[in-house]
Amino acid sequence: AQKITQTQPGMFVQEKEAVTLDCTYDTSDPSYGLFWYKQPSSGEMIFLIYQGSYDQQNATEGRYSLNFQKARKSANLVISASQLGDSAMYFCAMRDGSGGYQKVTFGTGTKLQVIP
Amino acid sequence: NAGVTQTPKFQVLKTGQSMTLQCAQDMNHEYMSWYRQDPGMGLRLIHYSVGAGITDQGEVPNGYNVSRSTTEDFPLRLLSAAPSQTSVYFCASSYLGLAGDEQYFGPGTRLTVT
Repeated sequence: AQKITQTQPGMFVQEKEAVTLDCTYDTSDPSYGLFWYKQPSSGEMIFLIYQGSYDQQNATEGRYSLNFQKARKSANLVISASQLGDSAMYFCAMRDGSGGYQKVTFGTGTKLQVIP
Repeated sequence: NAGVTQTPKFQVLKTGQSMTLQCAQDMNHEYMSWYRQDPGMGLRLIHYSVGAGITDQGEVPNGYNVSRSTTEDFPLRLLSAAPSQTSVYFCASSYLGLAGDEQYFGPGTRLTVT
């Protein structure tokens, strides 16, 4: 069964608008971490934001926030005031301990394109 | 700190050849891992290591070999390259591999097998 699901292969957003990238996850481990990474066309993986399973508040990092809904097992990334430089692939990932050591599982990604 | 370094950046192999992708980190991280990235499939875990001398298989280990003799280095060996191994390979490291430990990625190696 897929542990991380990103259902939006591609998204468009107007510059300066907000956009939400969806991510749902599946784990039976009570302790886990959720991450979002950005991959621009140059190829490097850039860490954006982290949410722990026991965190009471949603994580925020500048224009990025993570809408964490534990009961629904969703961890959506919200980018406010989109910029042209936000055009990239975005990956949701989860680190959990099910099955032994805490491996990281990635979703298939969402390609975001910001329109001027 | 250089962070996570990978060599080479690009490589072309013929089917059946072997090679080693190098990965090194200077952050004293215990946890290191190798991923491959294919179009539409995200990153898939090949092998990982939780410390020197300890390695384990990930989701797609067939055709790859790893060892971890030092904390700093985690090379990935392709035993007999196949066209299906054409991919972008990323090495990553994190402090201990706990739930909240962020992974730091290398720049990637683009491998083509003809």
